[in-house]
Amino acid sequence: AQTVTQSQPEMSVQEAETVTLSCTYDTSENNYYLFWYKQPPSRQMILVIRQEAYKQQNATENRFSVNFQKAAKSFSLKISDSQLGDTAMYFCALIQGAQKLVFGQGTRLTINP
Amino acid sequence: GAGVSQSPSNKVTEKGKDVELRCDPISGHTALYWYRQSLGQGLEFLIYFQGNSAPDKSGLPSDRFSAERTGGSVSTLTIQRTQQEDSAVYLCASSLGGTRGNTIYFGEGSWLTVV
Repeated sequence: AQTVTQSQPEMSVQEAETVTLSCTYDTSENNYYLFWYKQPPSRQMILVIRQEAYKQQNATENRFSVNFQKAAKSFSLKISDSQLGDTAMYFCALIQGAQKLVFGQGTRLTINP
Repeated sequence: GAGVSQSPSNKVTEKGKDVELRCDPISGHTALYWYRQSLGQGLEFLIYFQGNSAPDKSGLPSDRFSAERTGGSVSTLTIQRTQQEDSAVYLCASSLGGTRGNTIYFGEGSWLTVV
């Protein structure tokens, strides 16, 4: 069975610092997709970044980048120059089967002024 | 519509009552999903629709839970004889479907409280 593990329940950093959220996963599939979603207090899940497993190059989206280590089944998210608006729950997710996302338990990130 | 729309945003119901939660996906999205998020927990998959059919309903926790989708668009999640453990945020999501790489977009959820 596919599983996603986020080992950091909570993290807190100062504004403008860089923070890295960790995620490990397990899957028997060779071709899959990985995602990081952000959930602010408004509850809406917002896609932050996605990575296709067959691509070796790490995905980047402005201040957000990933470190994808396929052999180690690791998919960490790095947020550079963190901003107060980055405060949210962050979920790592893996696409399983036809279209079913499997989520980790989440990391609550707080950016302090 | 512009995004995934869910209603009601919040629902308080008495134990034993039935509730219906509605999801209106993004126009043109053939795939639709329901997830449940309990307080402080991750997201638990409930059911997936492709068009009007549900190829994967493995996450429905009991026979009190059912869902349907009509016209390849709006979906309704029904919980019969609600229990206190059903209290959670119910999130709906949609995607273009077809391939697993399509981005899945979420609504803001329906917060259900069973008292």
